Amino acid sequence: DQQVKQNSPSLSVQEGRISILNCDYTNSMFDYFLWYKKYPAEGPTFLISISSIKDKNEDGRFTVFLNKSAKHLSLHIVPSQPGDSAVYFCTTNAGGTSYGKLTFGQGTILTVHP
Amino acid sequence: ETGVTQTPRHLVMGMTNKKSLKCEQHLGHNAMYWYKQSAKKPLELMFVYNFKEQTENNSVPSRFSPECPNSSHLFLHLHTLQPEDSALYLCASSQVGGGASRANVLTFGAGSRLTVL
Repeated sequence: DQQVKQNSPSLSVQEGRISILNCDYTNSMFDYFLWYKKYPAEGPTFLISISSIKDKNEDGRFTVFLNKSAKHLSLHIVPSQPGDSAVYFCTTNAGGTSYGKLTFGQGTILTVHP
Repeated sequence: ETGVTQTPRHLVMGMTNKKSLKCEQHLGHNAMYWYKQSAKKPLELMFVYNFKEQTENNSVPSRFSPECPNSSHLFLHLHTLQPEDSALYLCASSQVGGGASRANVLTFGAGSRLTVL
């Protein structure tokens, strides 16, 4: 049973437009959420995170929104750039002593067209 | 060298072979992890080491044997594997202590692609 779901395997966006990647989770114990991105032949790299006490966190072109009641997380990238083309993973953690024990979604392949 | 380095990048082995995957982190982190990514499945946590002590074994079969001789090095010893163990094995590290924002930001290596024939 998958606890973190990224229901869109892929997303295609025009350069300059907004990219919205979505993630749903089932475990209400999750209280820290992160997005990683992965380029081919490289390991995942950390992008942005949010604690469950917040509903929004922004870092430059990247904003993560958390809706705890809906158990839904989204990543907005605006404006999207071709270099953003990568696989994006939604991950969560139950906090406490479970540091580093991340539960990953299956990933969404984002393609940004020039 | 910077970051997290994994060797070999690609490995092909038979089911009766014994091989090892190596990971080295140059970040001064105190926790190291093995994750596995099988085809069409999410990354799955296998093992966690904190200050060289294993703190998590996520129900991994004994044919996978981790070793952490110091906080900078992590090995995954492989023996009598099955074809279904073919996957990308990712090593990661993080700094535990100082809050979730640091402990959960893992730095991953590029991975070792394992094929079991």
